[in-house]
Amino acid sequence: DQQVKQNSPSLSVQEGRISILNCDYTNSMFDYFLWYKKYPAEGPTFLISISSIKDKNEDGRFTVFLNKSAKHLSLHIVPSQPGDSAVYFCAASGDNAGNMLTFGGGTRLMVKP
Amino acid sequence: GAGVSQTPSNKVTEKGKYVELRCDPISGHTALYWYRQSLGQGPEFLIYFQGTGAADDSGLPNDRFFAVRPEGSVSTLKIQRTERGDSAVYLCASSPGLMDTQYFGPGTRLTVL
Repeated sequence: DQQVKQNSPSLSVQEGRISILNCDYTNSMFDYFLWYKKYPAEGPTFLISISSIKDKNEDGRFTVFLNKSAKHLSLHIVPSQPGDSAVYFCAASGDNAGNMLTFGGGTRLMVKP
Repeated sequence: GAGVSQTPSNKVTEKGKYVELRCDPISGHTALYWYRQSLGQGPEFLIYFQGTGAADDSGLPNDRFFAVRPEGSVSTLKIQRTERGDSAVYLCASSPGLMDTQYFGPGTRLTVL
C-alpha cells in the first residue's frame, strides 16, 4: 500500500511557463513534507519543505502548497527553466517515525526551451 | 564542503555472493539513513542510525541485510547470499540531527546476476 503517491509519471512544460507537480498521501500521521530533485546518476537533492502547520512555503521560483483536508500537496515552479528538467520526488515523515522519509514514485519533468 | 560519499559507485556480483556497501556521511552529522531505490520507483527506507546505534531497522527486507556504524561516522550495509531481486540503487543520507534535512549521496548501483 503506497502511502505517498505521485500519479503523473511525467510532465512536459515550455520554458518560462509554470510547472505543477502533484502528490497525494494517505497516512494522517504525516506532518512534514519535502520535495527532492534528482538528476541521473546523482542522489536526490533537497528542494523545499513544508510543515503541516502551514499551507504554503515559498523559496524563490519554488512554492509548495499543502491541503491537509485533501491530503494533497503540490510543487509550483515558475518560471520553469530547462535546468529544472529532472525527476521530482515528494516525501513525507511523521513524528512517530523519527525522520524516516516515505517517498512517492517520482515525476519526470521536462522543460523544453 | 564534502557531501555524502558512497563506495563503490557500481557493484556487479553473482547470485549467492556477499557484498558490502560503504557510506561516508557529512562530517559532524549524527544521523545516517539507508534507502533502496528500485527502477522506476521512489527510494524506500531501510534503516537509520542515531550515533552508533540502529534507531529503526524496520525497513530491512529480511535477515540477509545488516548495517553497522561502529564509530558513529562511516556505515556499511552488508547483504548476504545476494538475490537478483536485490538489484537496485542503494542510497545513503545523513543529517545533522534526527529531525533535520537529509542530504543524499550519489548511491551505489548493485547488480546481481
